[in-house]
Amino acid sequence: ETGVTQSPTHLIKTRGQQVTLRCSSQSGHNTVSWYQQALGQGPQFIFQYYREEENGRGNFPPRFSGLQFPNYSSELNVNALELDDSALYLCASSLDPSSDIGYFGPGTRLTVT
Amino acid sequence: GNSVTQMEGPVTLSEEAFLTINCTYTATGYPSLFWYVQYPGEGLQLLLKATKADDKGSNKGFEATYRKETTSFHLEKGSVQVSDSAVYFCALGGSGGSNYKLTFGKGTLLTVNP
Repeated sequence: ETGVTQSPTHLIKTRGQQVTLRCSSQSGHNTVSWYQQALGQGPQFIFQYYREEENGRGNFPPRFSGLQFPNYSSELNVNALELDDSALYLCASSLDPSSDIGYFGPGTRLTVT
Repeated sequence: GNSVTQMEGPVTLSEEAFLTINCTYTATGYPSLFWYVQYPGEGLQLLLKATKADDKGSNKGFEATYRKETTSFHLEKGSVQVSDSAVYFCALGGSGGSNYKLTFGKGTLLTVNP
């Protein structure tokens, strides 16, 4: 039982739209990391949130933004969707920023048409 | 910047065969190294890790040794089972044991036939 859940499972959006993806962290974990996995590629780091603040960011444009709530759940928002944003979006939680990520959530499959 | 190059798949083996999945990396400093596994229909999970040169990570019969001189972290198992069929990802993290901002390889699909 990983304890990391994500919603929705699948999503289809049109280019230019905005999308919000959600992640519930494992109990006791205060850090959430988001990754993008394009088809046939390994996951790429988007950003990490620790105690409701962004704690580091990968090479993604500002239209990728996030939030972390007091219960440590998190949202990933993507504005002005592009076709290349089609991917599996993975969320992972950890005890703190320096702890190992044991499990990733099952992911949200986003398709942009 | 950091990068990970992983053996191209897919890899198909018979049960009880020996497995090697090659992984090499490029990084500054002394990163931590990880192998993650993704079973069908599930999220990625940490299989093993090594935090410094010559460390050997092991779990569920899998092993990988951190080789600084060859910048490699090859995954091995002496006798694979059908239940080992999955996608395996090599990943590179921060120094000092941190896995902040993991850099992943593309993944290797392993299929084990009975």
